[in-house]
Amino acid sequence: AQKITQTQPGMFVQEKEAVTLDCTYDTSDPSYGLFWYKQPSSGEMIFLIYQGSYDQQNATEGRYSLNFQKARKSANLVISASQLGDSAMYFCAMREGQGGGFKTIFGAGTRLFVKA
Amino acid sequence: DAGVIQSPRHEVTEMGQEVTLRCKPISGHNSLFWYRQTMMRGLELLIYFNNNVPIDDSGMPEDRFSAKMPNASFSTLKIQPSEPRDSAVYFCASSSPLDEQFFGPGTRLTVL
Repeated sequence: AQKITQTQPGMFVQEKEAVTLDCTYDTSDPSYGLFWYKQPSSGEMIFLIYQGSYDQQNATEGRYSLNFQKARKSANLVISASQLGDSAMYFCAMREGQGGGFKTIFGAGTRLFVKA
Repeated sequence: DAGVIQSPRHEVTEMGQEVTLRCKPISGHNSLFWYRQTMMRGLELLIYFNNNVPIDDSGMPEDRFSAKMPNASFSTLKIQPSEPRDSAVYFCASSSPLDEQFFGPGTRLTVL
């Protein structure tokens, strides 16, 4: 069963506008972490933002914020004031597990295109 | 810190040959992950280690794939014999238990 679902294979946004990338997850573990990574065309994986399952407030990092809705099991990434350099693949990921080890599972990704 | 180091960055080999990919995690990280990325299958977790011990290798596609972590600063992923369908980008990542994963630059493998 899919544990991380990103339903948008591709998204377009106008430069300087905000965009929301969707992510839903499935876990029975009460303690988990949610991550977003960016992969530009150069190929490297860049960590953007993290949300813990017990965090009361939504995480923010500069222009990135995570809209965490625990009851709906969603962790959408919001990018404000889009820039041309934001054009990339974006992956949502979930870490679960405890004790002996933690496992992180990635979604299929959303390709974001920022238009000038 | 130099980050996660992977070698080689590019590998081109012929079907049937043995391929060894190498990874040096960030010092102090005790979890290490091997991923494979292809257009068709996306980013797949192959295996991960915690404190040098393999915890979950359920993502390893076949017995042709094996991974070792002889010490905290080195890991290998070996494919023997390699096949054209193994062509992909292989990423190594490391982390502390409750932190984000830091990825290496990846090894682009082409099997002819």
